[in-house]
Amino acid sequence: DGGITQSPKYLFRKEGQNVTLSCEQNLNHDAMYWYRQDPGQGLRLIYYSQIVNDFQKGDIAEGYSVSREKKESFPLTVTSAQKNPTAFYLCASSPRLTVEQFFGPGTRLTVL
Amino acid sequence: AQTVTQSQPEMSVQEAETVTLSCTYDTSESDYYLFWYKQPPSRQMILVIRQEAYKQQNATENRFSVNFQKAAKSFSLKISDSQLGDAAMYFCAYGETSYDKVIFGPGTSLSVIP
Repeated sequence: DGGITQSPKYLFRKEGQNVTLSCEQNLNHDAMYWYRQDPGQGLRLIYYSQIVNDFQKGDIAEGYSVSREKKESFPLTVTSAQKNPTAFYLCASSPRLTVEQFFGPGTRLTVL
Repeated sequence: AQTVTQSQPEMSVQEAETVTLSCTYDTSESDYYLFWYKQPPSRQMILVIRQEAYKQQNATENRFSVNFQKAAKSFSLKISDSQLGDAAMYFCAYGETSYDKVIFGPGTSLSVIP
């Protein structure tokens, strides 16, 4: 059953801690993306990757880091440098020829 | 730079009626894709409909159809026979294969009144 998985669904973090959000896809898509969504707002691009071992900053990359060591995996680390990390995080993948985004179910991150 | 605008932050429709959500975009390209995504309260993003710019025929998916006006750079979504399950945020999005990214509009919150 093809799709995108994100874990965990809910994540709580103390201030000053780094946390890593998982994103895995078995759709054989080349491109993967991380978005942040704040309440009542649209999607803002954090990072994206078109191929393994390469990624680019999106519009709000400060305080975040990513890696792309495998085609199917694109984890996002929210570092202590991110001043306001409480938000809903969405991972997506797409085949390059259509750029249609396929989304995971999201992770809700709350900083305590 | 490409931009996507949705001028209606909130809309409402009576159950079984028809509603149209507006979207405009700005681009200098001739080959691109346009999308409508639905985000229900579960927050799972779901593709509603997709339009390739080179196709003159408007895309349709069951009760959902678009009015694609390329010259006017307009891409509206019509939902016919609205159902309670259509209540959600709807995002218009623009993408190019040469651009790597998809640009999302700010969204329209649709309420369906029983």
